[in-house]
Amino acid sequence: DADVTQTPRNRITKTGKRIMLECSQTKGHDRMYWYRQDPGLGLRLIYYSFDVKDINKGEISDGYSVSRQAQAKFSLSLESAIPNQTALYFCATGDSQSVNQPQHFGDGTRLSIL
Amino acid sequence: GENVEQHPSTLSVQEGDSAVIKCTYSDSASNYFPWYKQELGKRPQLIIDIRSNVGEKKDQRIAVTLNKTAKHFSLHITETQPEDSAVYFCAATGAGSYQLTFGKGTKLSVIP
Repeated sequence: DADVTQTPRNRITKTGKRIMLECSQTKGHDRMYWYRQDPGLGLRLIYYSFDVKDINKGEISDGYSVSRQAQAKFSLSLESAIPNQTALYFCATGDSQSVNQPQHFGDGTRLSIL
Repeated sequence: GENVEQHPSTLSVQEGDSAVIKCTYSDSASNYFPWYKQELGKRPQLIIDIRSNVGEKKDQRIAVTLNKTAKHFSLHITETQPEDSAVYFCAATGAGSYQLTFGKGTKLSVIP
């Protein structure tokens, strides 16, 4: 089945470390998104990309960067991790062939920064 | 930008009763409204969506209604079952936009 795959699923690291979260998809979608989920705050958009040459900031981009290495791959980096970046991170994809279509989520990466 | 408010934040119902979750949005140009269900430890999954040219949509025990004049939309679950227990998120996207703005979620507990 076509899917959205995130690696790693869990990560524990220390303050100040550089971390990369990876997302790959086999859905053939051109749009990819990174969200952060915190209890009681819902899903907040960090970055999104409509193709390899297109990167856009979302609501909470400070402290994060992204790279769209190919249509199927979109990675999220924390250059110098801090404890308040501890959260559940989701990658999602969408198809721009038609407006008003749902986004499809990966299984998430649970990140803990000590 | 778009702002989506979702209520209530928690909801407990007896098995077999109905559950209603309500969302309001701020951008009158928004025209797509999906609902996602997230079970504990799982990814959010689309359960139903509605577009602005439709006032109501139903899929078995789940229905969504949209009132564009009042800028609110609601999720209705009838004959609730324990497996309906999850966090539900509403979302909205503006005209020509591919960005979703999510509500903060409703934790639904169905008591057997």
